[in-house]
Amino acid sequence: DAKTTQPNSMESNEEEPVHLPCNHSTISGTDYIHWYRQLPSQGPEYVIHGLTSNVNNRMASLAIAEDRKSSTLILHRATLRDAAVYYCILIGETSGSRLTFGEGTQLTVNP
Amino acid sequence: NAGVTQTPKFQVLKTGQSMTLQCAQDMNHEYMSWYRQDPGMGLRLIHYSVGAGITDQGEVPNGYNVSRSTTEDFPLRLLSAAPSQTSVYFCASSRHRGFEQYFGPGTRLTVT
Repeated sequence: DAKTTQPNSMESNEEEPVHLPCNHSTISGTDYIHWYRQLPSQGPEYVIHGLTSNVNNRMASLAIAEDRKSSTLILHRATLRDAAVYYCILIGETSGSRLTFGEGTQLTVNP
Repeated sequence: NAGVTQTPKFQVLKTGQSMTLQCAQDMNHEYMSWYRQDPGMGLRLIHYSVGAGITDQGEVPNGYNVSRSTTEDFPLRLLSAAPSQTSVYFCASSRHRGFEQYFGPGTRLTVT
């Protein structure tokens, strides 16, 4: 399975935008880029996914590099509730729906 | 929709006991899966199902059985509990394999 690399931790202030990076240099052409987050003592929560084009939904935006070797999850206005571990995952034909979670990025949001 | 529900929320077992963790979804999802998450670690896939009557093994299937007699339910059975199975267990479902997954709240299992 293709690997992803994320920073261990990031900090943000409330109501400011947050850009969470993910590197996936060995991504294959059929791999989708998925983002999940896990709040303390809760199950993982789907955030967003994309293939080639940038994507927006009510929770976040996903910016995908032209060569697809990196992507950035954008939270437009961070709230305290956004403090969580964010995971960037690749899902393709070989991995199917097997989600391989790496260590993710611990996001701290300061009031 | 209730989404994905799991019972019980907490369970303590003695070594050698057996039990079933329940998982149900009301979204008519074809794909369901079970994961375990050990402290400070990521999720590891135990078993999954692509539809009623079809199940397959994930990364860490030993010591666990599953069945999928209906679309809605996907119970996970621990055959003979061991301390190494102390973990948080998450059930997830998605419309089809490869689509976004929706997770239940988890079952915290302690085996003494």
